[in-house]
Amino acid sequence: AQTVTQSQPEMSVQEAETVTLSCTYDTSESDYYLFWYKQPPSRQMILVIRQEAYKQQNATENRFSVNFQKAAKSFSLKISDSQLGDAAMYFCAYRNLNTGTASKLTFGTGTRLQVTL
Amino acid sequence: NAGVTQTPKFQVLKTGQSMTLQCAQDMNHEYMSWYRQDPGMGLRLIHYSVGAGITDQGEVPNGYNVSRSTTEDFPLRLLSAAPSQTSVYFCASRLVPQGAMNTEAFFGQGTRLTVV
Repeated sequence: AQTVTQSQPEMSVQEAETVTLSCTYDTSESDYYLFWYKQPPSRQMILVIRQEAYKQQNATENRFSVNFQKAAKSFSLKISDSQLGDAAMYFCAYRNLNTGTASKLTFGTGTRLQVTL
Repeated sequence: NAGVTQTPKFQVLKTGQSMTLQCAQDMNHEYMSWYRQDPGMGLRLIHYSVGAGITDQGEVPNGYNVSRSTTEDFPLRLLSAAPSQTSVYFCASRLVPQGAMNTEAFFGQGTRLTVV
């Protein structure tokens, strides 16, 4: 079974600074997807960024980028120029490609990000 | 676009009571699923469905039933609520991918359930 580990329960960053959230995963599969979700106090789950394992290039979405290290099974999220609105719980998630229609998301335990002035 | 709609947003139940959490999506997604979110444990899969008439168990199915009579709706039933079922519940849907296509999961806004 796949597992996702987020070893940082809480992180703090000053506004305009950069922060990196860590995620490691365990799988025996070679084809899969990785995601970062943001959950603000409203509870809504918002997809921040996604990475296909077969792509070597790291995904980027505006101020959000990932460092995907397939051999190390590591998938960290970097938030640049942090803003107050970035304060939220962040979840790393994995989905196996090869189980087809039944493939499901496996989540880490989350990292709560505080943004301070 | 309505997306994924969950009702109710909040609910308090007494131990032993039954209730149904509703989930509806208007995106014609084949795949629907229910998760529960507990502090320090992330989101865990309860049940899922890959189409009308097809359901299967996830990681934590005990105490919950589901059915999928239409593409749009995927209700989650608690037959006899227990305090251990106090949690936040999320419904999610997505298209079933064709080949290697990566399809995004859309989440409802969650239901906070308290069982006393």
